[in-house]
Amino acid sequence: NFMLTQPHSVSESPGKTVTISCTGSSGSIASNYVQWYQQRPGSAPTTVIYEDNQRPSGVPDRFSGSIDSSSNSASLTISGLKTEDEADYYCQSYDSSNHYVVFGGGTKLTVL
Amino acid sequence: QITLKESGPTLVKPTQTLTLTCTFSGFSLSTSGVGVGWIRQPPGKALEWLALIYWDDDKRYSPSLKSRLTITKDTSKNQVVLTMTNMDPVDTATYYCAHAEVNWLLDYWGQGTLVTVSS
Repeated sequence: NFMLTQPHSVSESPGKTVTISCTGSSGSIASNYVQWYQQRPGSAPTTVIYEDNQRPSGVPDRFSGSIDSSSNSASLTISGLKTEDEADYYCQSYDSSNHYVVFGGGTKLTVL
Repeated sequence: QITLKESGPTLVKPTQTLTLTCTFSGFSLSTSGVGVGWIRQPPGKALEWLALIYWDDDKRYSPSLKSRLTITKDTSKNQVVLTMTNMDPVDTATYYCAHAEVNWLLDYWGQGTLVTVSS
């Protein structure tokens, strides 16, 4: 089955840039869109990136997404880190062979 | 604006069947390209996708839970129902429903409902 693997945790200082990776287990991650969700404690997830690199309205341009076919991975980059960015981040895509949605295991971002 | 809200029991016993209802507003499940999905999250753990139903009644299920899940829609009531059979304590989680787009984006989420499985 298709899986998405994320680092368990990352940490960085305010004002810096951090990149969270999401690696596909098989096939081409570029074959289906990747979305990224932010989840703060006690709240439902919200979308920060959709269709690989699109930002919903209201999401600051400090958030960006990309796909690297050579490593079969997607990345979420957050620049100019703020303490309010501290949250769990999940990537999500779709297994088009078996027709189901897949979430990555989530990455806890600490801004300190 | 689009809103979704999950409802159902907060406590179920092992082996029982769980029935959750997602009641939504701000969109219609008869509109082309629109769907509603269910996702759960055990305490302190990651999101897990469960099922999704589209406007044309196309249904998708998690391969690992497919035998236990059924998703249905009532377009006239703006509701989607998820049933999960043979509940076990490991199924204790917050269950979310979400509005889905045809590109598999889950762009609006309910607040979630915590379901505890215990005797």
